[in-house]
Amino acid sequence: EAGVTQFPSHSVIEKGQTVTLRCDPISGHDNLYWYRRVMGKEIKFLLHFVKESKQDESGMPNNRFLAERTGGTYSTLKVQPAELEDSGVYFCASSQGARRPNEKLFFGSGTQLSVL
Amino acid sequence: AQRVTQPEKLLSVFKGAPVELKCNYSYSGSPELFWYVQYSRQRLQLLLRHISRESIKGFTADLNKGETSFHLKKPFAQEEDSAMYYCAPAMNYGGSQGNLIFGKGTKLSVKP
Repeated sequence: EAGVTQFPSHSVIEKGQTVTLRCDPISGHDNLYWYRRVMGKEIKFLLHFVKESKQDESGMPNNRFLAERTGGTYSTLKVQPAELEDSGVYFCASSQGARRPNEKLFFGSGTQLSVL
Repeated sequence: AQRVTQPEKLLSVFKGAPVELKCNYSYSGSPELFWYVQYSRQRLQLLLRHISRESIKGFTADLNKGETSFHLKKPFAQEEDSAMYYCAPAMNYGGSQGNLIFGKGTKLSVKP
């Protein structure tokens, strides 16, 4: 069974540039999450999709971040323009049931974003 | 504010010794509690869910509502247990779940 895949695994960009991260969840998983860990801090929730709808985007830091999940399959997270403090590891996770979405989250390997 | 505290950044024990990784949370209500683990060069993965009361790889965790704690324990640590451990509660809202909130993690190092 294919797991959650994230692309790219690493991205190095300059401040002010745009970066788009992609996540392919496990097939059939309705729930898709984005989390991130910045250096020295805890893993923080960004947002949660149920199929193509944003269930909760309370963790999105500001309007430079835009997440989409067209057709309820893969998701993209765009940062535009990127700032230094956006550097960190961005994780995607997916899970199956809508009623108990946290029953078991499957995580991707993460995208290491470095903004110089 | 909802908060998860893992007081130990690093915990080092010898193989065969008991291990306890501490987790305290501050919530009103009844969270559902999870421990996630990340082994070297592997993905973050679920280790244990409180509700299922499973024992995974010899680890158990007891919820103490009075102390708002959910410490992870294992009676005899193995070298392969060396990893980063995250306590992650999720709030329950009228039957549906909120999102996981992760602690900062504790790095467990088991020495031979």
